[in-house]
Amino acid sequence: GAGVSQSPSNKVTEKGKDVELRCDPISGHTALYWYRQSLGQGLEFLIYFQGNSAPDKSGLPSDRFSAERTGGSVSTLTIQRTQQEDSAVYLCASSPRPANTEAFFGQGTRLTVV
Amino acid sequence: AQSVTQLGSHVSVSEGALVLLRCNYSSSVPPYLFWYVQYPNQGLQLLLKYLSGSTLVKGINGFEAEFKKSETSFHLTKPSAHMSAAAENFCAVNDPGNPDKLIFGTGTRLQVFP
Repeated sequence: GAGVSQSPSNKVTEKGKDVELRCDPISGHTALYWYRQSLGQGLEFLIYFQGNSAPDKSGLPSDRFSAERTGGSVSTLTIQRTQQEDSAVYLCASSPRPANTEAFFGQGTRLTVV
Repeated sequence: AQSVTQLGSHVSVSEGALVLLRCNYSSSVPPYLFWYVQYPNQGLQLLLKYLSGSTLVKGINGFEAEFKKSETSFHLTKPSAHMSAAAENFCAVNDPGNPDKLIFGTGTRLQVFP
């Protein structure tokens, strides 16, 4: 596709269940970001992948959160044992190197934990 | 650590009035600076960016921003607001310690009244 694709667009899950959120970046983009957007909280950085380098996981809020990027392309964000405070919109973005280029965002996955 | 402050979570203006959205960053090293816009039910898109050179940058939809190093600011302006400008606006900077990492402010919701 032409843009960053995220799936699902909406996810409702029960507290305690695990969820997987998927991001397909723009082809050829080496950088991939995950952000969390909560009401009134802006965009919270979660994790960043750059090529084959070790990811920057400094923004992950707890060990229930993890992410991987396979083959330098598709990324999956996994939240284990979901809690109600995990409810938010999860945004993925990708960009080509270098750092001064635009980041292209997907439409996000709205996660609701009930 | 780098941080971004957007003063005012909501800004309301009349159609045709000047729009001013404020952004300040914390680092002593001038970062790359960005403004992104998020229209309702859409992903984020880049309005404009400052990397170096002329401190006044022009973006899409008539927006512009001025980098002022002495004030560590990058305020966004538009001379005349249109109803179509109503959106959430995010200021972002890169982390000098990790230039590929984008840090976002909490956002300012712009409302335009007829």
